[in-house]
Parts: sequence; structure tokens; C-alpha cells
Amino acid sequence: EPEVTQTPSHQVTQMGQEVILRCVPISNHLYFYWYRQILGQKVEFLVSFYNNEISEKSEIFDDQFSVERPDGSNFTLKIRSTKLEDSAMYFCASMVDRGRGAEAFFGQGTRLTVV
Amino acid sequence: DAKTTQPTSMDCAEGRAANLPCNHSTISGNEYVYWYRQIHSQGPQYIIHGLKNNETNEMASLIITEDRKSSTLILPHATLRDTAVYYCIVRTNYGGSQGNLIFGKGTKLSVKP
Repeated sequence: EPEVTQTPSHQVTQMGQEVILRCVPISNHLYFYWYRQILGQKVEFLVSFYNNEISEKSEIFDDQFSVERPDGSNFTLKIRSTKLEDSAMYFCASMVDRGRGAEAFFGQGTRLTVV
Repeated sequence: DAKTTQPTSMDCAEGRAANLPCNHSTISGNEYVYWYRQIHSQGPQYIIHGLKNNETNEMASLIITEDRKSSTLILPHATLRDTAVYYCIVRTNYGGSQGNLIFGKGTKLSVKP
């Protein structure tokens, strides 16, 4: 069964460093998402991406964040200068189409620890 | 903000049906009801979704009231592996922010032996 894959599963970085989280969405999917979940809190929407551009973004997704689909398969989230409060699980998701009640499939996440 | 209301927690005996309620009294005509679950800190897992009619798949059944203001997710024979946080989410298929999955706090279901 096709699945969304994320790498790495766990990343530790020093405050102020740049990190790139990688995702390989399901191959025929058109919509891509990043979410995050701080330990013990709810899953929060960060950004949606379609047709090589951001569709929507939340207030969390400030100038420190960027997304990119550098080739036909990868979808990345970059945090330019990490802060302690960026420590969280980051989930990537993809959806084949927004219409017809399509469902989104999530990866297993990257645990980011900023020290 | 999430547009649904769910109980914070529920218990269910192993082998029995788990019935998880959700209120979505402000749902609009073009919004679907989705259910996801999250086991520990794993990625949310899609369960089922529906618009008006009741739906069933290999994982669960979804019962939507006629006025669409509430729904119930039914796990027919709960197992210990069904212990998770269950999220009820309403989402439109149109563009804009309402087309995104917005998670609330969900219901923590504990299946007990």
C-alpha cells in the first residue's frame, strides 16, 4: 500500500541552526501539507502546497519556515534558524485531490529536538 | 479552530463496540465529516469519512444524523490496539483554509481487557 515517508525519523539540532525535514508523498497526489505537534498538545496545521506554490499557511508558519518541492518526488520543510520552541513532531501529509471527499494520508513524522 | 466537539475520554471493553460521538452543529452543506486517529505519537491515521449517508469500511462505521449536526464513529469489535486519540474533523472540498484538516483535542479511547 502506498505511504508517505518522512526522513529523518529523529533530528537533534542546535538552536540557531537550519534544518530541512524531508517527505516523499504518495506518487499521484497533488496536495501536500505540513503539520506539527508539540509534545502533549494537539496537531497543528502549518502549510498546504499545491501546484508548486503555497495554498494556505497558518500563523505559525512565519518567515523562518519555507517549503519546497525540488523535484517530482520530495517535499521539504526548512526552518532557517531553529528555536527551542520549534521542538516538536512534524508530520507531512498528501492528498490526491481536494474534491470528492478525498482523504489525506500522513507520514510517521520527524521528531525535531532543538537544544 | 476545530468546528467539532468530542468527549475528552472514553473507555471500552475489549471485544465490545466502541461508539465515539461528535457534535458539529455548525457544519455547512459542502463539508464532509472525517475521522482520524493517532496512536501514541505516530502520524494521524485516516479511518473514514462521509457527507450525508452512513459509511462503512474495514475499520469502522460512520453514522451521520439526518440533520448532519452530529455523528458517531463505531469500532465494531474494539481491540487493545484501538487505544488511541480519535479526531472528528469537518472539512470542505473547496479551496481556502476550510479545505484543510484542522485537528481539535479529540477523544482519548482506552480499550481495556
